[in-house]
Amino acid sequence: EAGVTQSPTHLIKTRGQQATLRCSPISGHTSVYWYQQALGLGLQFLLWYDEGEERNRGNFPPRFSGRQFPNYSSELNVNALELEDSALYLCASSLRNRAQETQYFGPGTRLLVL
Amino acid sequence: AQRVTQPEKLLSVFKGAPVELKCNYSYSGSPELFWYVQYSRQRLQLLLRHISRESIKGFTADLNKGETSFHLKKPFAQEEDSAMYYCALIIQGAQKLVFGQGTRLTINP
Repeated sequence: EAGVTQSPTHLIKTRGQQATLRCSPISGHTSVYWYQQALGLGLQFLLWYDEGEERNRGNFPPRFSGRQFPNYSSELNVNALELEDSALYLCASSLRNRAQETQYFGPGTRLLVL
Repeated sequence: AQRVTQPEKLLSVFKGAPVELKCNYSYSGSPELFWYVQYSRQRLQLLLRHISRESIKGFTADLNKGETSFHLKKPFAQEEDSAMYYCALIIQGAQKLVFGQGTRLTINP
């Protein structure tokens, strides 16, 4: 069974630009989560999508947004990039939107903002 | 507020010695806790979760609600246990994992 996949693996942008990160969940999983792992800040919850709807978001500004497609893949968009957005962005998926379901993580996209 | 605390950023033990990685949590609801592990150049993966009550790779963790702890233990460390370990709490309903800062475990030969 293929795991969660993310693309691209690395992304370099300059301040003010927009970044788009993509995630494909494990087949059969309907929930997708996004986390940010910034240096010194640890893993922070960003967004949760289930069945195409945004269900919850973390304490991040509105320029962090995303969507989930009918095939359950997801996109994270970061507008007006700032230097502090440089981080590893992890996507996770789970079978159903219940706490009992384990979240399985992808390898991440490393975003560098210059 | 929901919080997970891993007091040790770094932990170094010798092969064959016992290992204990500490994790304390703060949560008003019924806690559901996890340990995730990240080996070098690999993705974050689930090691164990408290509701499963299982032992994975010789590791166990017991939820102590009185002490609000979920320490990870292994009686005899192996070199392949060297990795970054994260304790996490899931917020019911919100489905978000709250992670501790992580402990880097190094097993010396």
